[in-house]
Amino acid sequence: DAGVIQSPRHEVTEMGQEVTLRCKPISGHNSLFWYRQTMMRGLELLIYFNNNVPIDDSGMPEDRFSAKMPNASFSTLKIQPSEPRDSAVYFCASSFGTGPYNEQFFGPGTRLTVL
Amino acid sequence: KQEVTQIPAALSVPEGENLVLNCSFTDSAIYNLQWFRQDPGKGLTSLLLIQSSQREQTSGRLNASLDKSSGRSTLYIAASQPGDSATYLCAVIMDTGRRALTFGSGTRLQVQP
Repeated sequence: DAGVIQSPRHEVTEMGQEVTLRCKPISGHNSLFWYRQTMMRGLELLIYFNNNVPIDDSGMPEDRFSAKMPNASFSTLKIQPSEPRDSAVYFCASSFGTGPYNEQFFGPGTRLTVL
Repeated sequence: KQEVTQIPAALSVPEGENLVLNCSFTDSAIYNLQWFRQDPGKGLTSLLLIQSSQREQTSGRLNASLDKSSGRSTLYIAASQPGDSATYLCAVIMDTGRRALTFGSGTRLQVQP
């Protein structure tokens, strides 16, 4: 199994540019999570999907952030326009369902730097 | 609001020592608790998951215990090795229907050869 795949692994962009992060969950998993990790705030959930439907987006910081899951094998997180404070590592995770025994498996992350 | 605390923030031990990492949470109404390992610049690797009705889980040299009523979990690492050096994170999911992990800030472990 290839695990959760994220691209790009590193992204450097200038303030005001649009950034799109991509995630391919583990095959067969039907729950997908986007987390953000910063030194100041640690790891925090942004949004999660169950069966391609957004369930909880309360962690999305503001309207500049949007996420989609057009099918079971692909999700995007878009930031438009980007700001320096968006610099962080963005992780995608997936699980098979959301039961009490369902572990979340994380991808390698995308390190975003906004100049 | 659930808060997860991990003590100590950093730990350095000689190879071969048995060690205990601590995790505490303020709201005992949890669904499950998961321990992760994070290597520098890398993603998170799931180590153990304990469902709320369980008391402990074991995997190789790792043993995680859960005392839900007191809001505590420990990760025991037996016979530590330099390859165990990493940051260890615990995270809980609340029993509210929201399946987001709430993370502690981690314990950075260094095992000296």
